[in-house]
Amino acid sequence: EIVMTQSPATLSVSPGERATLSCRASQSVSNNLAWYQQKPGQAPKLLIYGASTRATGIPAKFSGSGSGTEFTLTISSLQSEDFAVYYCQQYNDWPPWTFGQGTKVEIK
Amino acid sequence: QVQVQESGPGLVKPSETLSLTCTVSGGSISDYYWSWIRQPAGRGLEWIGRMFTSGRTNYNPSLKGRVTMSIDTSKKQFSLKLRSVTAADTAVYFCARELSPMTDDAFDIWGLGTMVTVSS
Repeated sequence: EIVMTQSPATLSVSPGERATLSCRASQSVSNNLAWYQQKPGQAPKLLIYGASTRATGIPAKFSGSGSGTEFTLTISSLQSEDFAVYYCQQYNDWPPWTFGQGTKVEIK
Repeated sequence: QVQVQESGPGLVKPSETLSLTCTVSGGSISDYYWSWIRQPAGRGLEWIGRMFTSGRTNYNPSLKGRVTMSIDTSKKQFSLKLRSVTAADTAVYFCARELSPMTDDAFDIWGLGTMVTVSS
């Protein structure tokens, strides 16, 4: 099983600043990596797939990069609606598909 | 616009079987992978398994053979059965679709989730 490790667990950011989230895979997942945003009481929402492709309707403020075992999600100019928990997920090697434990982006 | 919605009992007794159904609307159920994913309160996401419209399934080995999934394309529904449940199976259960037909991919369509509590 591929283990996905996200860091940091919590990221405190001031509105208008940029947030950088990391995700590391225990073995290469090529570019088969997705990022999701989850707000309280809601389902996760796909932001990025293929490590760097924005999903339909996702604004350019969200960008993904990386390949192999190291990945980054960058959120520029955070607004109130961006404060949430973010998960990475690999879909390169199953079973099973695996998620990171999440990074909570909170208001500083 | 494709939507999915979970349904099923919110309370299941220990040692019994959890049964959930996901109904697809606004689009085709065919040619996609459909998954079940769960999330205990305050915790992360765990992929339970998936099935294809051909009936092919993939399950998470951590669930040790307790999982069975099925699909009814005529009703545009797919189902989850989880046997011998314990309190550790208490979670919000989501159904979700992988983005691209017939291809391993990210989950682009998610249901709202349904809370299942295992308790006597």
